[in-house]
Amino acid sequence: DVKVTQSSRYLVKRTGEKVFLECVQDMDHENMFWYRQDPGLGLRLIYFSYDVKMKEKGDIPEGYSVSREKKERFSLILESASTNQTSMYLCASTGGLAGYEQYFGPGTRLTVT
Amino acid sequence: AQSVTQLDSQVPVFEEAPVELRCNYSSSVSVYLFWYVQYPNQGLQLLLKYLSGSTLVESINGFEAEFNKSQTSFHLRKPSVHISDTAEYFCAVSDLSSNYQLIWGAGTKLIIKP
Repeated sequence: DVKVTQSSRYLVKRTGEKVFLECVQDMDHENMFWYRQDPGLGLRLIYFSYDVKMKEKGDIPEGYSVSREKKERFSLILESASTNQTSMYLCASTGGLAGYEQYFGPGTRLTVT
Repeated sequence: AQSVTQLDSQVPVFEEAPVELRCNYSSSVSVYLFWYVQYPNQGLQLLLKYLSGSTLVESINGFEAEFNKSQTSFHLRKPSVHISDTAEYFCAVSDLSSNYQLIWGAGTKLIIKP
């Protein structure tokens, strides 16, 4: 069965802290995505990666960076967390026979105080 | 550039009543179309998809959607909703100009009234 896992379901951090959100997929997908989800705004793409060490900015990359050192793992980094980064963060992957269908992790609800 | 519009942010409906969640997209070039569902405190799950072939696609839990190329729509319907259908529903369209990206609607919350 297809699986995308995220390191935490809930996370509380202080303003200015460095935050790491980890995502792992077991489907050998080339493409991985980080979204943030806020009420009324749907899903907004932060970054995506189409191969190991390759990344491209999405619609709202400011304040975030990413790392993809291994095919199965895609990390989102908040260099200095701010309260306006309080949100739900969703990781997804796709590739191969999946085509455009994206598989999602359970999400990480991040609160920055 | 492709865009997706879900006209209703919330749709309240009585249990066992029919429902339609609307989705329109902007570009009529070849597209793949998806509906995802998000139950409370969970990630998104694929509900159904249109890739090619029959314009009417169905899910295992009674939802269906029809691809209408002339109206650039992919509305989601269910003839009789259940309390367990309470969720947020997202429409997404492929962006063939980039690596497997999807363009997302803002979501529609389906609220089932007992």
